[in-house]
Amino acid sequence: NAGVTQTPKFQVLKTGQSMTLQCAQDMNHNSMYWYRQDPGMGLRLIYYSASEGTTDKGEVPNGYNVSRLNKREFSLRLESAAPSQTSVYFCASPARQGRGTGELFFGEGSRLTVL
Amino acid sequence: AQSVAQPEDQVNVAEGNPLTVKCTYSVSGNPYLFWYVQYPNRGLQFLLKYITGDNLVKGSYGFEAEFNKSQTSFHLKKPSALVSDSALYFCAPSDPGTYKYIFGTGTRLKVLA
Repeated sequence: NAGVTQTPKFQVLKTGQSMTLQCAQDMNHNSMYWYRQDPGMGLRLIYYSASEGTTDKGEVPNGYNVSRLNKREFSLRLESAAPSQTSVYFCASPARQGRGTGELFFGEGSRLTVL
Repeated sequence: AQSVAQPEDQVNVAEGNPLTVKCTYSVSGNPYLFWYVQYPNRGLQFLLKYITGDNLVKGSYGFEAEFNKSQTSFHLKKPSALVSDSALYFCAPSDPGTYKYIFGTGTRLKVLA
């Protein structure tokens, strides 16, 4: 049982390039989230998907797009990467216990550097 | 605005001594309260949560947390620290009725042998 799987683990981009971070969960959870982690700032929510077919903006959505491809998969796309998007990105999925009540299961993270 | 504060960037404790990592929050309603641990270059792992009931919650790896409603605090504790407990700890109340969780900035725990 893998839980939450993210790819790639590491990526280096040049300013203006695009890329997609992939996330898949095998726990049959409804909701999925994308966070970014920056030193001294904790985790900030980029986008979330409460259920298959829905997506909503979090705190810091600018410069990102998401796709909830199916119940298992939730991807994060950077259309034109900027150095300010250098960060560690985490995908997470809460246990199926209702809104904001279940603990989050996290992937191992994707470390992105934009030059 | 909903917020959570972890006032200490780092906590140092000697192995075998008790430890406390502090968390206070400002969230309307009755949030669920969570603690997570992050080891270097890893994702966050769930430690424990408070829903309702007994103010002392027990979790993984011998950790527990004390909920105080009047002080809106949820401090993480362990009676006897281990070197292997050294990691980054996050407090994260949920925003009731939404799908959102509010993360603190994290506290780095260093247990000295």
